[in-house]
Amino acid sequence: DAMVIQNPRYQVTQFGKPVTLSCSQTLNHNVMYWYQQKSSQAPKLLFHYYDKDFNNEADTPDNFQSRRPNTSFCFLDIRSPGLGDAAMYLCATSTTGGIQYFGAGTRLSVL
Amino acid sequence: GQQLNQSPQSMFIQEGEDVSMNCTSSSIFNTWLWYKQDPGEGPVLLIALYKAGELTSNGRLTAQFGITRKDSFLNISASIPSDVGIYFCAGQRDTGFQKLVFGTGTRLLVSP
Repeated sequence: DAMVIQNPRYQVTQFGKPVTLSCSQTLNHNVMYWYQQKSSQAPKLLFHYYDKDFNNEADTPDNFQSRRPNTSFCFLDIRSPGLGDAAMYLCATSTTGGIQYFGAGTRLSVL
Repeated sequence: GQQLNQSPQSMFIQEGEDVSMNCTSSSIFNTWLWYKQDPGEGPVLLIALYKAGELTSNGRLTAQFGITRKDSFLNISASIPSDVGIYFCAGQRDTGFQKLVFGTGTRLLVSP
């Protein structure tokens, strides 16, 4: 049974058109993460929520934002996608100090 | 950001062969993790190691947490075609926010 669920699995958007990716979890974990992964590179952390507290990585572009309306859901908003934002976006969850469990990812294409 | 040195970068082996890959760091970690990522999918946890010197198995997989806490290895015995994928090590510290530091990945190809 999927425990970290990402929708959609594939998303195509146009250059500059806002897009939202979603993540939900059935693990009741208090920490949720968003990663960007490009062509077989290691995942790169964009930001995480520790409960309701949002924590941005220093090098995450302003173009990327996130919302966590409740424990189970977290959204990644890309305000004005550029060609360089085409990537796999991974959501992960954990307990405090615990192991991170990843979703299957959303592959974003920007035309 | 920091990345762990993972080797080899890629391996192409015959089905049935054993495989070994390792990960090294210049700094200490309290937890070492090994993930496998299939094409188009997210990373899946294979093995978690919590104690220096710990040796843990999961089926055909065996991983060890180095005594110095700066390295870890993963062995796969009797490889099969479904072992194909990218293997990432990741280190985690206990202090402050537990950000994962990933290795550069090992791409494994298995020929039937």
